Amino acid sequence: DADVTQTPRNRITKTGKRIMLECSQTKGHDRMYWYRQDPGLGLRLIYYSFDVKDINKGEISDGYSVSRQAQAKFSLSLESAIPNQTALYFCATSGRGEQFFGPGTRLTVL
Amino acid sequence: AQRVTQPEKLLSVFKGAPVELKCNYSYSGSPELFWYVQYSRQRLQLLLRHISRESIKGFTADLNKGETSFHLKKPFAQEEDSAMYYCALSGSDYKLSFGAGTTVTVRA
Repeated sequence: DADVTQTPRNRITKTGKRIMLECSQTKGHDRMYWYRQDPGLGLRLIYYSFDVKDINKGEISDGYSVSRQAQAKFSLSLESAIPNQTALYFCATSGRGEQFFGPGTRLTVL
Repeated sequence: AQRVTQPEKLLSVFKGAPVELKCNYSYSGSPELFWYVQYSRQRLQLLLRHISRESIKGFTADLNKGETSFHLKKPFAQEEDSAMYYCALSGSDYKLSFGAGTTVTVRA
């Protein structure tokens, strides 16, 4: 499903570096989300946005920030990456109900 | 607060055998329940949602409000059903809360 794309797909970085993960969607949805996936923990919500002027923290927002540049774009930043932020990150969009996911970004922080 | 519990992290069944993935939830209002599936190296995709009451790929799930459960069932498992399955709940705020996931392996 190329309607939701994420860049980069893989990234290895060092502790203390600033990292930006980008998400774009062509589904025309207002709602966008960022999750991280960790083994045994499922997906946890980091931030979500219901329109361009609306940004909300999820359950694990510490150490992360986001920017909603346009309806179609929602970026996640790690201002100073740390090793326990090593995870698989997913972006998602939704209209009413079902969420559509991007392919994921595998981030490794050394 | 909303919470989703999937008690089984791993589930192994033989091809042709029935498979049931358990999901229990807690939510004070009227939730919408979903099952998402993630095949190896692929993105999450919706398998089914309780309001549609559809059967997708032979899977069904019934919302039991009395037991606060939304178990996923398939009478005859196939090898292509091997995947990670997530139960998720959406409340009135349209946020999804996911369970920890169940990895299903279907053996030949």
